[in-house]
Amino acid sequence: SQQGEEDPQALSIQEGENATMNCSYKTSINNLQWYRQNSGRGLVHLILIRSNEREKHSGRLRVTLDTSKKSSSLLITASRAADTASYFCAGHTNAGKSTFGDGTTLTVKP
Amino acid sequence: DTEVTQTPKHLVMGMTNKKSLKCEQHMGHRAMYWYKQKAKKPPELMFVYSYEKLSINESVPSRFSPECPNSSLLNLHLHALQPEDSALYLCASSLGPFDSYGYTFGSGTRLTVV
Repeated sequence: SQQGEEDPQALSIQEGENATMNCSYKTSINNLQWYRQNSGRGLVHLILIRSNEREKHSGRLRVTLDTSKKSSSLLITASRAADTASYFCAGHTNAGKSTFGDGTTLTVKP
Repeated sequence: DTEVTQTPKHLVMGMTNKKSLKCEQHMGHRAMYWYKQKAKKPPELMFVYSYEKLSINESVPSRFSPECPNSSLLNLHLHALQPEDSALYLCASSLGPFDSYGYTFGSGTRLTVV
């Protein structure tokens, strides 16, 4: 079973708007990571939040983590057409592996 | 060097063929991973190597055989694959298996089994 489930599955917005994606996970994690994937190629690591952190920022990205609800959200502000991609969360466990959620496909229209 | 390099980028093989996928990194990372990704699905973990030793095998069929010859190289040997094994195979590395810095992924090998 997948560690993370993400919603929405697909999101379409206009350039300049904000995009919010949510992720829920089932087991305890050491950290939660967000990745971007363009056109079925390799994944690019965006941001990592540790289990003892609640919020983290990196440029236009803001990620939150609620360990009591086993959920995380990724906010992309002032979106650009180049942000069009699939976004995955991945929970990293004590077993030393990361398991990926189902992903959100983001389309940013110019 | 901050990259994970995978070769080949594309591979078409018959069900009786033997082929290998190669992954290389020179970042000094001591954990390396193989993931399999089907279209419109998330990556699924196959194997984890930690300090050149196989630490996790996610019940992968024996027609997939991983190998870690040294700390920079990771291979995936393929034999007698089935058409349903067609997928994007991704290699990743991290500083260690339990570190909190995230994974660096390669661009993947697009495998088609005919």
